[in-house]
Amino acid sequence: DSGVTQTPKHLITATGQRVTLRCSPRSGDLSVYWYQQSLDQGLQFLIQYYNGEERAKGNILERFSAQQFPDLHSELNLSSLELGDSALYFCASSVEGSLISSGYTFGSGTRLTVV
Amino acid sequence: GQQVMQIPQYQHVQEGEDFTTYCNSSTTLSNIQWYKQRPGGHPVFLIQLVKSGEVKKQKRLTFQFGEAKKNSSLHITATQTTDVGTYFCAPTTSGTYKYIFGTGTRLKVLA
Repeated sequence: DSGVTQTPKHLITATGQRVTLRCSPRSGDLSVYWYQQSLDQGLQFLIQYYNGEERAKGNILERFSAQQFPDLHSELNLSSLELGDSALYFCASSVEGSLISSGYTFGSGTRLTVV
Repeated sequence: GQQVMQIPQYQHVQEGEDFTTYCNSSTTLSNIQWYKQRPGGHPVFLIQLVKSGEVKKQKRLTFQFGEAKKNSSLHITATQTTDVGTYFCAPTTSGTYKYIFGTGTRLKVLA
């Protein structure tokens, strides 16, 4: 157990629908990062939050949004889902806000299948 | 999106052979981290390199940061089946790269 909790582990939904992925960071970590990993592909950075504030944006589609709550858990909202959104979505956390001087701790991921 | 190239993309080795993956950047890096992702698993932090020319070892794994801090390598001596997975580098600079990962090298070890 890495200490980063992601729910749900699996999600199957239809095109056009909206889903919410949840992440609880490791205790003490203030930063949360969201990554998308398509089948046998690399890790694409989506967005980062630090202590409730959006800190950095990557290749996040306009149909996707995220937020970090006062208790530091984060949610990634994916709407108007398309078949191509099927992927593994990872959440990672760290203590620092930028120029990470220690590693990211990843959760086990949410596997999203859009049918 | 922005990516850092790792070579090779795939590597199949016989158990006991050595393995090396390289991570190359066009810009000078502040530091670089390495991660391992087992099949069906999540990336796990292995190590961070900060200094020019730095070399760190973890048992059979040797990590190196280039003198110009533009490239890095991970070398595994005498691979074992437990080494199977994808190895990612994660370079950091204050400008060009932020929170990105390399394209990864998938290692398969044949027993």
